[in-house]
Amino acid sequence: DGGITQSPKYLFRKEGQNVTLSCEQNLNHDAMYWYRQDPGQGLRLIYYSQIVNDFQKGDIAEGYSVSREKKESFPLTVTSAQKNPTAFYLCASGSGQGSNQPQHFGDGTRLSIL
Amino acid sequence: GDSVTQMEGPVTLSEEAFLTINCTYTATGYPSLFWYVQYPGEGLQLLLKATKADDKGSNKGFEATYRKETTSFHLEKGSVQVSDSAVYFCALSGFWGGSEKLVFGKGTKLTVNP
Repeated sequence: DGGITQSPKYLFRKEGQNVTLSCEQNLNHDAMYWYRQDPGQGLRLIYYSQIVNDFQKGDIAEGYSVSREKKESFPLTVTSAQKNPTAFYLCASGSGQGSNQPQHFGDGTRLSIL
Repeated sequence: GDSVTQMEGPVTLSEEAFLTINCTYTATGYPSLFWYVQYPGEGLQLLLKATKADDKGSNKGFEATYRKETTSFHLEKGSVQVSDSAVYFCALSGFWGGSEKLVFGKGTKLTVNP
């Protein structure tokens, strides 16, 4: 079955450490997205990518970085510059390009500070 | 900018009760509208969608109609079940700066008691 796989499910970060969240999709989607979810705040867009080797900042990109070297993969790095990283992180993919098709979501990674 | 406002929760109902979750939007163009559902500890799943005015999306007994005149997309279900307990997100899809993005409401938590 096609879908989006996020790993790990739970992740712990030490002070000053960078951590990387994995997101892989086999839906052949061009566009991929990273969202942060905090209680009572809905989803906020961190970064998105419409095609390979290209990505743009979303609404809350500070303290995060991404890469898009392959169509299937869109890893997110939470850097030490992100002072409040504790949240639920969701990756999504979609057809993009104004297709008005829904995005498909992974099961998320919960990041906590040690 | 484009935005989505949905009714604040939490909403608590008894099994077989009627459900309405209000959603209104502000958009400059003609967005597609979506309802997503999130079960505890999971990602978001598409529940239903509507792509143009007067379209009705439906799935698993849930319905929502795209009302352009009232800029609304209220979610309804005639008889809820305990298994419907989840967080529900209203979202719109827009095309800005050459990229397609989703804008989410803050979510409404529904608890259905037996």
